[in-house]
Amino acid sequence: DADVTQTPRNRITKTGKRIMLECSQTKGHDRMYWYRQDPGLGLRLIYYSFDVKDINKGEISDGYSVSRQAQAKFSLSLESAIPNQTALYFCATSDSGGGRGRNEQFFGPGTRLTVL
Amino acid sequence: AQSVTQLGSHVSVSEGALVLLRCNYSSSVPPYLFWYVQYPNQGLQLLLKYTSAATLVKGINGFEAEFKKSETSFHLTKPSAHMSDAAEYFCAVSETGTASKLTFGTGTRLQVTL
Repeated sequence: DADVTQTPRNRITKTGKRIMLECSQTKGHDRMYWYRQDPGLGLRLIYYSFDVKDINKGEISDGYSVSRQAQAKFSLSLESAIPNQTALYFCATSDSGGGRGRNEQFFGPGTRLTVL
Repeated sequence: AQSVTQLGSHVSVSEGALVLLRCNYSSSVPPYLFWYVQYPNQGLQLLLKYTSAATLVKGINGFEAEFKKSETSFHLTKPSAHMSDAAEYFCAVSETGTASKLTFGTGTRLQVTL
């Protein structure tokens, strides 16, 4: 079974619609992240959460919101989707143990979102 | 602020040839450095990481990378390319002493030809 799962895997929606992307993990990690990937731009951080009560904006948070429902669940919402939010979205997790910054992040399989 | 530059968005090599993917970083403090691989229609998978121990780091699938502080580089190499190595590769940096946020490069797509 996958350690980091994302639902849905693919989604097509229309401009102005609200959409939620969900992420669940069974790795027992306390830190979770949302990224978007665009061709030629790599991965950019949208939001990150170091525990249930600690949520922080990343470099491109405008137009997005998140909810950390439990240690294992981290959802990303687009309140009113627009076409330039068409991208591949990844959830990732990491463990805070072992010293800050040294622990790798583990990625889900991604959600391909198309906004028409 | 930390940043990563990957030279060459596309690299093509013949099967059996040396693979060299370039990564240069900028960091105000000693960095942690990572290489990830993304196969088509999949998420990112860690290849290897440098966390201030040995400067030559060996990873999965025969890849290795060398941390060179004087050159601020962390290039990824593999002596002999295989068709299965075709994928996109991302270099990432995380600053020590801070929260474990990663800053990614823009990626290099590796093509392996017969």
